[in-house]
Amino acid sequence: EIVLTQSPATLSLSPGERATLSCRASQSVNSYLAWYQQKPGQAPRLLVYDASKRATGIPARFSGSGSGTDFTLTISSLEPEDFAVYYCQQRSNWLPLTFGGGTKVEIK
Amino acid sequence: QIQLQESGPGLVKASETLSLTCTVSGVSISSYYWGWIRQSAGKGLEWLGRIYASGNNDYNPSLNGRVTLSLDTSKKLCSLQLTSVTAADTAVYYCARDMSGSGWFDPWGQGTPVIVSS
Repeated sequence: EIVLTQSPATLSLSPGERATLSCRASQSVNSYLAWYQQKPGQAPRLLVYDASKRATGIPARFSGSGSGTDFTLTISSLEPEDFAVYYCQQRSNWLPLTFGGGTKVEIK
Repeated sequence: QIQLQESGPGLVKASETLSLTCTVSGVSISSYYWGWIRQSAGKGLEWLGRIYASGNNDYNPSLNGRVTLSLDTSKKLCSLQLTSVTAADTAVYYCARDMSGSGWFDPWGQGTPVIVSS
């Protein structure tokens, strides 16, 4: 099973600041990594897939990068609605698909 | 617009079988893979499995054969059965479309909470 480790656990930032979230895989997942956003009481929402492709309707301030074992989700300028929990997920090894433990982006 | 709605009993007794359904609207259920993911405080997000109308399916090995997914294309339902439940199966259960069988999930249903009682 591929383990995904996200850091930091919590990121305290102000609106307008840049957010940089990290996801590290226990073995190479090539570019088979996605990022999701989850707000309280809601289901996760796909933001980025295949490491760097934005999902339909996702603003350009969200960007993903990386390959192999190290990946980054960058939010260029935080909007009030971006404060949420973010998860990474890999699909390189199907059985099983796995998710990271999440990074909470909170208002400083 | 694709919409998914999970439904289920909410409370299940330990050792019994959990049965959940996901009603799909806005898209042909036969054209996509459909997945189930659960979220608990203890284990975070956990992929349970996925199914395609052809009968192809994949399951998380950690569930040791306790999970079965099925599709009813006429009723546009995707169903999950989880046998021999324990307190560790307490979670919010989500169904989601697996984009083109890619392993990426979009969109998700709102989720249904399940508590396993002793």
